[in-house]
Amino acid sequence: DVKVTQSSRYLVKRTGEKVFLECVQDMDHENMFWYRQDPGLGLRLIYFSYDVKMKEKGDIPEGYSVSREKKERFSLILESASTNQTSMYLCASTTNKIEAFFGQGTRLTVV
Amino acid sequence: AQSVTQPDIHITVSEGASLELRCNYSYGATPYLFWYVQSPGQGLQLLLKYFSGDTLVQGIKGFEAEFKRSQSSFNLRKPSVHWSDAAEYFCAVGGVSGTYKYIFGTGTRLKVLA
Repeated sequence: DVKVTQSSRYLVKRTGEKVFLECVQDMDHENMFWYRQDPGLGLRLIYFSYDVKMKEKGDIPEGYSVSREKKERFSLILESASTNQTSMYLCASTTNKIEAFFGQGTRLTVV
Repeated sequence: AQSVTQPDIHITVSEGASLELRCNYSYGATPYLFWYVQSPGQGLQLLLKYFSGDTLVQGIKGFEAEFKRSQSSFNLRKPSVHWSDAAEYFCAVGGVSGTYKYIFGTGTRLKVLA
């Protein structure tokens, strides 16, 4: 089975901290994504990547950056965490058939 | 603009009753359509997908969905709901603009009464 693993299920960080969310997939997928999920807003795309060292902005990239140094790993970085970045973050990877596989999510609270 | 609409934010059904969750999309080309389910505190799991061919698709856990091009709809159905089906359900369009991007609906939260 495809596995997408997010390094933390729950995180609590202070305002202004630099935060790293890590995601690893084990199926050699080319495409990886970071979404943010908020009640009533569904999933919104933050960044995605089609290949190593390649990244593209999604719909809400402000306040975030990403890194993809290896094919299996896609990291989301909050440069200076703010309370409005409190949310559930979901990582996904896709096959060439577009079907997406999701990690368990990281619930981030910024205080 | 491309979009996915799930008009029902919450739905409550009794165990054993039938279920239909609505999904409408706005997309210029033939869409790739998906339904995902999210149990509390979990990631999303694929229920079923439509790429082409037979417009009635079967998925896991006894779910099915029907693609209706004329209505731009992809409604999810189950003939008899189980208590374990309580979760949030997301409809999505994939392959947006020839990419691997998805557009998700805002979700429908299903509550099942015993």
